[in-house]
Amino acid sequence: AQRVTQPEKLLSVFKGAPVELKCNYSYSGSPELFWYVQYSRQRLQLLLRHISRESIKGFTADLNKGETSFHLKKPFAQEEDSAMYYCALKYNFNKFYFGSGTKLNVKP
Amino acid sequence: DTAVSQTPKYLVTQMGNDKSIKCEQNLGHDTMYWYKQDSKKFLKIMFSYNNKELIINETVPNRFSPKSPDKAHLNLHINSLELGDSAVYFCASSQRHSNTEAFFGQGTRLTVV
Repeated sequence: AQRVTQPEKLLSVFKGAPVELKCNYSYSGSPELFWYVQYSRQRLQLLLRHISRESIKGFTADLNKGETSFHLKKPFAQEEDSAMYYCALKYNFNKFYFGSGTKLNVKP
Repeated sequence: DTAVSQTPKYLVTQMGNDKSIKCEQNLGHDTMYWYKQDSKKFLKIMFSYNNKELIINETVPNRFSPKSPDKAHLNLHINSLELGDSAVYFCASSQRHSNTEAFFGQGTRLTVV
């Protein structure tokens, strides 16, 4: 069965510190992975997808099939990065499974 | 132009009432979803429709009934509301292609008193 695990419910870092939000997945097929961000009381919005290999707002994520991971990283956290972050797995073309989310708190 | 829109944004109602939440998308997507986000921010799939056909129906009380009149709309009707139904409900849509993401509505904050 497909699964997405985000082991940290809350991650607190100081401004300027590096941040890594962990995501591990379980899926027998070829995974399509995404990171979504939800700022306070707003809708979820796409942050980045693994296929694009892009950097958005300084965040990057690399798919590691050997470790079945898709960790989200940023070298220098900013206060405006404080939000909920969800890792999501798309499977069977149009089904999405979301992890339980990690709340990132960037302290001044 | 809002891509995925839900109404109402806020809904406060008493236990035992029946209520509906509406969702519309103007992206031409063929798949729509309902997710429930609880107080701990856990996001759980409830239903998914593809071209008006139900494809995901998770373990949800049968008091919840989705209705898709056409592929641009997916409404959620809830009968006999309970305190535990209080949550934020998100509608989303996506296209059935590889590496395309889901787009979310702004959410409906349901409070049952």
